[in-house]
Amino acid sequence: NAGVTQTPKFRVLKTGQSMTLLCAQDMNHEYMYWYRQDPGMGLRLIHYSVGEGTTAKGEVPDGYNVSRLKKQNFLLGLESAAPSQTSVYFCASSSGTSGTTGELFFGEGSRLTVL
Amino acid sequence: GQQVMQIPQYQHVQEGEDFTTYCNSSTTLSNIQWYKQRPGGHPVFLIQLVKSGEVKKQKRLTFQFGEAKKNSSLHITATQTTDVGTYFCAEDSGGYNKLIFGAGTRLAVHP
Repeated sequence: NAGVTQTPKFRVLKTGQSMTLLCAQDMNHEYMYWYRQDPGMGLRLIHYSVGEGTTAKGEVPDGYNVSRLKKQNFLLGLESAAPSQTSVYFCASSSGTSGTTGELFFGEGSRLTVL
Repeated sequence: GQQVMQIPQYQHVQEGEDFTTYCNSSTTLSNIQWYKQRPGGHPVFLIQLVKSGEVKKQKRLTFQFGEAKKNSSLHITATQTTDVGTYFCAEDSGGYNKLIFGAGTRLAVHP
């Protein structure tokens, strides 16, 4: 049982380049999320999805796009990377089933550097 | 901006000392969750508090939810080097387990 898997784990981009981070979960969870973590600022929600085919904006959505074409996958895209997007990105999933806790299961993170 | 404020930002203790981190909100919280992130790792769920005045214990960790559901605390008794990491509180903002995290308290434990 892999849980939540993120790829790639590390990436270096030049300003203006594009890339996609892939998140896959094998727990049949309804809800999925993308967070970014910067020093001293905790985790900030970028976008989230409450089911296949749905997406919604979080706290800091600008400069990012997401897609959830399959229930198990949640993709985060950067169309034109900027140095301000240098961060560690975490994907998470949650059951969404009535009666369960709202626990989030996190992937191991993807460290992105934009030069 | 963040809806939950966490203090202190950093705490350095000697092994065996106690540690407490506090989470405060200006609004009433529906529930609050606590996570631990080891250095270089990812956040891991510790507990969820739902009821007013709730107190839960996990071995040396004690979690409290305030009577007004506007604050919460995590207390560690007799810290060990394995307690090192950053502790985050998080509130469910608008349902769908959409968590808004506090900035975290980084705990350093010196042997």
